[in-house]
Amino acid sequence: AQSVTQLGSHVSVSEGALVLLRCNYSSSVPPYLFWYVQYPNQGLQLLLKYTTGATLVKGINGFEAEFKKSETSFHLTKPSAHMSDAAEYFCAVSGGNRDDKIIFGKGTRLHILP
Amino acid sequence: KAGVTQTPRYLIKTRGQQVTLSCSPISGHRSVSWYQQTPGQGLQFLFEYFSETQRNKGNFPGRFSGRQFSNSRSEMNVSTLELGDSALYLCASSFGLAGGTSRTQYFGPGTRLLVL
Repeated sequence: AQSVTQLGSHVSVSEGALVLLRCNYSSSVPPYLFWYVQYPNQGLQLLLKYTTGATLVKGINGFEAEFKKSETSFHLTKPSAHMSDAAEYFCAVSGGNRDDKIIFGKGTRLHILP
Repeated sequence: KAGVTQTPRYLIKTRGQQVTLSCSPISGHRSVSWYQQTPGQGLQFLFEYFSETQRNKGNFPGRFSGRQFSNSRSEMNVSTLELGDSALYLCASSFGLAGGTSRTQYFGPGTRLLVL
């Protein structure tokens, strides 16, 4: 079984500052990991995903995440926050079987301060 | 390519009524998954359909049901609505089964259901 914990339901950063959104997972099998973003009144959009291979994954809009098996973490970072990054971010995990569900975290709302 | 579309976008119902929501996946996608999103519970998986067959189901009561048609369009139905069913219902499509693969899920904008 898989589960995801996102630390902090709300995170505020100043424009231009580092963005760090934390995600820890639990999985009995090698996980597939995802980060999605949701803008107001919209569905979710995939930012990046880790399946196998390189543990540092680069996504859209300057975001990246690093898979750390020893820490069971998949934190999302962006070097310099932009006002347009204000949104809700979801971490998700899935197992390696075709019929595995994708389990989402409860989300972290990112606020950008001017 | 057109994205995932969901209809209607907004819906107001009263307790005890039933509701049907529709989802049209991206052309060529055969998998459709449904999620319920609420502020308290976040995104919760309802079910996934692939080639007209339910392949996976979340922990929701039997009042929640779905189906998929031969053109991959999907509907979900909620009978005997309760106040707690008020939520944003999201549909996502992917080429293959969503879980356990590198297949990307593409989400629709959702249907916001309010139960009074």
